[in-house]
Amino acid sequence: DVKVTQSSRYLVKRTGEKVFLECVQDMDHENMFWYRQDPGLGLRLIYFSYDVKMKEKGDIPEGYSVSREKKERFSLILESASTNQTSMYLCASSFDPRTGLRNTIYFGEGSWLTVV
Amino acid sequence: AQRVTQPEKLLSVFKGAPVELKCNYSYSGSPELFWYVQYSRQRLQLLLRHISRESIKGFTADLNKGETSFHLKKPFAQEEDSAMYYCALNMGGTSYGKLTFGQGTILTVHP
Repeated sequence: DVKVTQSSRYLVKRTGEKVFLECVQDMDHENMFWYRQDPGLGLRLIYFSYDVKMKEKGDIPEGYSVSREKKERFSLILESASTNQTSMYLCASSFDPRTGLRNTIYFGEGSWLTVV
Repeated sequence: AQRVTQPEKLLSVFKGAPVELKCNYSYSGSPELFWYVQYSRQRLQLLLRHISRESIKGFTADLNKGETSFHLKKPFAQEEDSAMYYCALNMGGTSYGKLTFGQGTILTVHP
């Protein structure tokens, strides 16, 4: 069974702090994603990565950066947290090269971030 | 640019009543459409996809390319169907999994 694990479920940070959100998947998936979930706005893609050290901006990358040094791990970084980044953050992964199954993505449980 | 619209933020029905969650999309290519569901305190999970043409938990959805819609339907709603539902579009290609989501619809099924 695919497992996408987000290390922190609930975080409270101060404005201006640097924040790291970690995500690990255990299925050797090629693609990994960070989404932000807000009421009334649905899920919006922040960044995604299709290979180690490769990344592409999503729809709302401003204020965020990412890191993918190993295939199984994808980190979201808020260089200087602001109150408008208070949200639920969802990590996801897809594409198992062994099976060729491309079009199912698996989500983590989410990380609730509050910036005060 | 692609877009997914779910016109209803909230939908309430009584147990046993039919339910339809609306989804419209705009995309110039051949889309792949999905419905995802998030039950209370659980992770977002795939409910169904249009290419499978399957019925999951009694739900079905048909892709109507003429009306650019992918509405989710169930003939007899159950209380355990209460959840947040998202319609999503995948453009395909090398960015599989790069989904565009609608705003979501909260379904509440009353006893």
